[in-house]
Amino acid sequence: VVMTQSPLSLPVTLGQPASISCGSSQSVIHSDGDARLHWFHQRPGQSPRRLIYRVSNRDSGVPDRFSGSGSGTDFTLEISKVEAEDVGVYYCMQSAHWPYTFGQGTKLEIK
Amino acid sequence: QLVESGGDLVQTGGSLRLSCAASGFIFSGFRMGWVRQAPGKGPEWVAFINEDGSEIYYVESVRGRFTISRDNAHTSLSLQMNSLRAEDTAVYYCAKGDWLDNWGQGALVTVSS
Repeated sequence: VVMTQSPLSLPVTLGQPASISCGSSQSVIHSDGDARLHWFHQRPGQSPRRLIYRVSNRDSGVPDRFSGSGSGTDFTLEISKVEAEDVGVYYCMQSAHWPYTFGQGTKLEIK
Repeated sequence: QLVESGGDLVQTGGSLRLSCAASGFIFSGFRMGWVRQAPGKGPEWVAFINEDGSEIYYVESVRGRFTISRDNAHTSLSLQMNSLRAEDTAVYYCAKGDWLDNWGQGALVTVSS
């Protein structure tokens, strides 16, 4: 399954919203009926950290300015008001079909 | 917590074994995986193992060369890598669950001639 993110580069002004799209080449609905689409954030020099699992569920400790939505083959990660700590690369990943695959990444930077 | 070890510089065609020590959760209750990230690239799943080791998957590029295994009694995960190639150069992460809810700090594997 090929995961395609856009944009690949996202310059954002502090306090402004940001949105990242992720499309899959086939449905990421698992055989159990669950949508297996997740979002990760990686800061420079750090390991990736999961932000959102199963499309819209925020991980513990993730600020509520982050939200995920979508269905079928089109998904979106939104940040309501970007803060300085949000810089880095964002990846979507599907775990419905092996091999599980990541998008190319979207680099968020502050204008 | 997940702590990888075993990363090193190795020659093309050589072998290396990565280990991952897990703590702070019921290791035997979770699927585990190895995910790698080549320099400047996005992450790539390498191998997956289910809770009791009866279900194992590999990405096509490493099948037949890499072997994932786990020891639930010692809460550890391993990746045996043989016939290493330059394109295997990457940071290798041990990760919890097939939804990757926790990652280790990574082990750098450099394959060079």
